[in-house]
Amino acid sequence: RKEVEQDPGPFNVPEGATVAFNCTYSNSASQSFFWYRQDCRKEPKLLMSVYSSGNEDGRFTAQLNRASQYISLLIRDSKLSDSATYLCVVKGRNYGQNFVFGPGTRLSVLP
Amino acid sequence: GAVVSQHPSWVICKSGTSVKIECRSLDFQATTMFWYRQFPKQSLMLMATSNEGSKATYEQGVEKDKFLINHASLTLSTLTVTSAHPEDSSFYICSALPPRGHGSDTQYFGPGTRLTVL
Repeated sequence: RKEVEQDPGPFNVPEGATVAFNCTYSNSASQSFFWYRQDCRKEPKLLMSVYSSGNEDGRFTAQLNRASQYISLLIRDSKLSDSATYLCVVKGRNYGQNFVFGPGTRLSVLP
Repeated sequence: GAVVSQHPSWVICKSGTSVKIECRSLDFQATTMFWYRQFPKQSLMLMATSNEGSKATYEQGVEKDKFLINHASLTLSTLTVTSAHPEDSSFYICSALPPRGHGSDTQYFGPGTRLTVL
């Protein structure tokens, strides 16, 4: 079983739609969680960290359920510019531990 | 945010040659840098952890004699792909970890180097 798993995608949605991505992780010792977005042929860029209480940044909402080892990302009112691959990332407790990336979910927002 | 550069951004080479990729943290000193590899339609896979002044730690299945890592200063790590073959063609991305207390416990990624081996 992979350490981080995500919806296989791709997701093709019209502009303005709401889309949700799911992610599960297997290592219960994981302590830090992030969503990154990656555009084609570019490096990953941090979208948002994910906190236990859930957090929102504009149209983006992230949720964490530690008991279920589950992370989600909700995008509201999707824009064409949201088209990218979304990577779920987890990290262990210790400072400096490497990130473990999920396989990513590709999103295409259509006009 | 913090800036990490990589050079070159892309390289095409013949099979059997060696290619060096540089990763620099431009506005902080990084005792730890990470090297990732990403094949088409796949996610990033950690190759090795590079620590300044010591030997790199390689992930299982990554040949240390083929992928030479040198982290000689707090702002520079290099990855050398020795005797490159077509199957080494990939997108190589480095990341740098700021010192503890610098800010968040996150990594800053370089823009990546696309290697094509003919």
